[in-house]
Amino acid sequence: ETGVTQSPTHLIKTRGQQVTLRCSSQSGHNTVSWYQQALGQGPQFIFQYYREEENGRGNFPPRFSGLQFPNYSSELNVNALELDDSALYLCASSPGTGEANYGYTFGSGTRLTVV
Amino acid sequence: ILNVEQSPQSLHVQEGDSTNFTCSFPSSNFYALHWYRWETAKSPKALFVMTLNGDEKKKGRISATLNTKEGYSYLYIKGSQPEDSATYLCALPIRNAGNMLTFGGGTRLMVKP
Repeated sequence: ETGVTQSPTHLIKTRGQQVTLRCSSQSGHNTVSWYQQALGQGPQFIFQYYREEENGRGNFPPRFSGLQFPNYSSELNVNALELDDSALYLCASSPGTGEANYGYTFGSGTRLTVV
Repeated sequence: ILNVEQSPQSLHVQEGDSTNFTCSFPSSNFYALHWYRWETAKSPKALFVMTLNGDEKKKGRISATLNTKEGYSYLYIKGSQPEDSATYLCALPIRNAGNMLTFGGGTRLMVKP
């Protein structure tokens, strides 16, 4: 059973640029969620994709967008990067959206630094 | 917005010590609670998923209890080992919101040999 893989592991971007982060979900999982973890805080929910559709969104501006592909892998895109976007971005997959009685499978994250 | 709080923020213990930390949450509309263990440079790993008031779960030296009426969960580690050093996160899924997880700030545990 493969886990969740994220790429790249680290990234440095300049303010105003755009970035794309990638996530391959665990085999058999059709739901992918993205979280942002700023320094010293717990992860914050960005959005969730289920069967290629956005299925829920946290309190993040529209410049945070995403995609899910037919193989259930996902991308997180951030436009017009700001310094405060510097964070660890985590991807988590799950076998569905209707059950919370299992743990989510997380990737190791992408560390984004905006300078 | 769900307010999930964890305490303490960090903890230093000696090898062999037993320790516990707390996750507090609003008791209304409780659905489930997750505990995750997150080692540095690795991915968070699910320890327990708890749903019923009075639940007690155990995995080796680690156990957890749940009180949904008063809104808290305790995580216990018996005889801490250096390999237990990690950040322990609790999270609550919000039903009807894609089961998005609302996390606490985590408890960072450091076990000294």
